[in-house]
Amino acid sequence: NAGVTQTPKFQVLKTGQSMTLQCAQDMNHEYMSWYRQDPGMGLRLIHYSVGAGITDQGEVPNGYNVSRSTTEDFPLRLLSAAPSQTSVYFCASSRATGADTQYFGPGTRLTVL
Amino acid sequence: EDKVVQSPLSLVVHEGDTVTLNCSYEVTNFRSLLWYKQEKKAPTFLFMLTSSGIEKKSGRLSSILDKKELSSILNITATQTGDSAIYLCAPVGSNYKLTFGKGTLLTVNP
Repeated sequence: NAGVTQTPKFQVLKTGQSMTLQCAQDMNHEYMSWYRQDPGMGLRLIHYSVGAGITDQGEVPNGYNVSRSTTEDFPLRLLSAAPSQTSVYFCASSRATGADTQYFGPGTRLTVL
Repeated sequence: EDKVVQSPLSLVVHEGDTVTLNCSYEVTNFRSLLWYKQEKKAPTFLFMLTSSGIEKKSGRLSSILDKKELSSILNITATQTGDSAIYLCAPVGSNYKLTFGKGTLLTVNP
């Protein structure tokens, strides 16, 4: 199993550009989520999904969209990038029932100029 | 709003010391509490705690949950330089959402 994979690893955008961060897992996990991590702020939940076709907002959803058309994939879209979205983004997945342990992808470091 | 407070925020010790990291939480519909270790990459799972008073151990690391006090501690004995990392606690609440604390930065000097 590859676990949780994220692409790209690094990305530089200009203000106003849009892009999609990719996340995929091959563990048949129902639950997937996106976090951003900023210095001194810990990990903050952006959006999450409890299964295909179901998504919900986390703590900091503004400026981001998600969709969950398959169990495996959970892309995060930045609609119009802003410097405040410069951060490290982590995707995570877990089984929705039983184990609550979330497994993290390697992260995407995004810089918005 | 769910809240998590970790203390101390940072800690510097010498190899061989024992450390105790604290995590206090206020979470709606509490299910469990997770501890993660983060070095210069993604967090890696350490423990999941669901029951009060039952210690989980893995080598030199151990952790326990106190649901009455809404808190958890993570102990590391005989610290090594490889233990240097950020330690994150995350209670799991409604809809399996994790709320992370800001973490404790542990530095172990030789």
